[in-house]
Parts: sequence; structure tokens; C-alpha cells
Amino acid sequence: SQQGEEDPQALSIQEGENATMNCSYKTSINNLQWYRQNSGRGLVHLILIRSNEREKHSGRLRVTLDTSKKSSSLLITASRAADTASYFCATVVDSNYQLIWGAGTKLIIKP
Amino acid sequence: DTEVTQTPKHLVMGMTNKKSLKCEQHMGHRAMYWYKQKAKKPPELMFVYSYEKLSINESVPSRFSPECPNSSLLNLHLHALQPEDSALYLCASSPFTDRAYYGYTFGSGTRLTVV
Repeated sequence: SQQGEEDPQALSIQEGENATMNCSYKTSINNLQWYRQNSGRGLVHLILIRSNEREKHSGRLRVTLDTSKKSSSLLITASRAADTASYFCATVVDSNYQLIWGAGTKLIIKP
Repeated sequence: DTEVTQTPKHLVMGMTNKKSLKCEQHMGHRAMYWYKQKAKKPPELMFVYSYEKLSINESVPSRFSPECPNSSLLNLHLHALQPEDSALYLCASSPFTDRAYYGYTFGSGTRLTVV
């Protein structure tokens, strides 16, 4: 089942620029996770942010969470061609602890 | 070992065939999952195993039959599939099913084509 929406659905930027993707969800959550998927491959867990956290960093990744707006953003700084992939957010709610996925953003980094 | 290994990577099968997908992890994770993913869509949960017992079946047709022989292995047996079952099948694991603060580790998937 899908919890919410991601936008944009597709994003194409030049190498070196920053990329921002947004995720909105509908119900209260325990945590929100971001995953990357290269074409036709498995998903890679990038970062997890808990409901009581507002911002988290991992290398070139910065994730923010606004529980009042039920939204999150993923910022990739200084993008590289290797960042070309689909990015999915997934939320975890306390009632069942299963991942509920957003629709995904397809990111293309042009060299 | 921090990987989930799926075999085969690609599988083409006829509608009357029986085949199996295999998933293996050696991270000591007690939760294992099967997902189905169609092109340009997010993964759809099929089955959840917790401590080697099936805990969630998301109303998956009986032509898909999961099996968890031990804590490291997960199989998905396929029989009498339809062309619309063609998809990427992903296996994942996590430390537990009933605690939330963990990301999932995914395998690279099996690309299944039903002809």
C-alpha cells in the first residue's frame, strides 16, 4: 500500500548541482526511511529519521522531517553521475512496523 | 557478511512450469520479506516471515508459495504463473519485525518473465 506522494516524479539536473526530493505522508509515523534503487536492481537503505528528529545527515545526504506538515525532504549535495537512480521514501507506523512506500522520484544527473 | 543474496538473477518460465526463487542472508536477521515490483512502481509486500514463521500474507495468489527452511534461507516457489506475474522479485531482511528503528537490507532481485 502507498502512504503518500513523492515529488517531483522525475528530476534532471547537471552534475555538481544539488538535488531535492520531497515526500508527503498521511498518518502519524514512527520513522521515515529513504532508499535508492539503481535501474532494475535492489533497493539500498540510505537513511532513517525518527519521528522525534528534525534533521539528519549522512555524507552528501541531508534529510529533514516535518511531522506537523507530514512531509520529508532528501537533499543530495554536489550530485554525481553515479547518483542517477530512483529514490523512494518509506514510512513505518507503530501499528504494524511495516514499510509503506511512496511512489518514488527518478533522478537523472547529466554529466 | 552484510548482504542478501538472491538467485537466480534472471528467470524465464512458461505458464506450466514450476520454479523456485532463493534468498539467503547471514546477518542474523530474524525477519525476512518477499516483495514484488513492477516497472516504475514502488515495491509491493507479498510475505513476511518472523522467526521462520509466516506472519503476513498480503492476499497473494496460491500460485506463489513461500518457504523458510531456516533462519538464513527464504524460498519462493512458483507454479502456474500468468504473464502479468512478470516483475522484479525482491527479498529483504531486517533484524526484527516488531521493532521499528531499522532499515531493511534488500537483495538485488530476480527478474522474472512468464511466457
